[in-house]
Amino acid sequence: EDQVTQSPEALRLQEGESSSLNCSYTVSGLRGLFWYRQDPGKGPEFLFTLYSAGEEKEKERLKATLTKKESFLHITAPKPEDSATYLCAVQAFGSQGNLIFGKGTKLSVKP
Amino acid sequence: NAGVTQTPKFQVLKTGQSMTLQCAQDMNHEYMSWYRQDPGMGLRLIHYSVGAGITDQGEVPNGYNVSRSTTEDFPLRLLSAAPSQTSVYFCASSYSTTAFGTEAFFGQGTRLTVV
Repeated sequence: EDQVTQSPEALRLQEGESSSLNCSYTVSGLRGLFWYRQDPGKGPEFLFTLYSAGEEKEKERLKATLTKKESFLHITAPKPEDSATYLCAVQAFGSQGNLIFGKGTKLSVKP
Repeated sequence: NAGVTQTPKFQVLKTGQSMTLQCAQDMNHEYMSWYRQDPGMGLRLIHYSVGAGITDQGEVPNGYNVSRSTTEDFPLRLLSAAPSQTSVYFCASSYSTTAFGTEAFFGQGTRLTVV
């Protein structure tokens, strides 16, 4: 069964304190792994797509990496505005575009 | 571009009532889907469509109905609302299902309470 597990469930950081969020996945054949950011009361906002092991994508203070079994979202020198829930999702070949989501990591960055 | 637009943003229903959640996208995306988000459960797929006239069930389809008569619109119908359908509903669309460009773009959500 395809599944996604994110850890930790919640993470509290001080402003400037770098850290990483983990997304472990089991999928029959990975077409793509996606990272989203979700603010309270809003829909998920697309951040990155990763397609193959070894691939990396960066956007401002965020960098996503992918191995054959997990993905990391590295946050460098975070700011309070990075506080949000970060969602990981996978898409399998043959899934017709359907996404399987993890439960998310709630990140709080304190000034 | 407006992206993915959902209406209404909030709705309260009585048990047994029916209603339609509206979803429209203006990006000419072929794939559209509905998810529900519940505390501690993550996002779960209800129904999806890979093009006009084509729909299929996701992980949690019971109690919901969909149709796709145009590329732009993908309404979700609650046939007879139950308290278990209290949730936040998200509509999403993506350009492709079979190649690069499969990232989904989400609407702002509909918060539904069934009493």
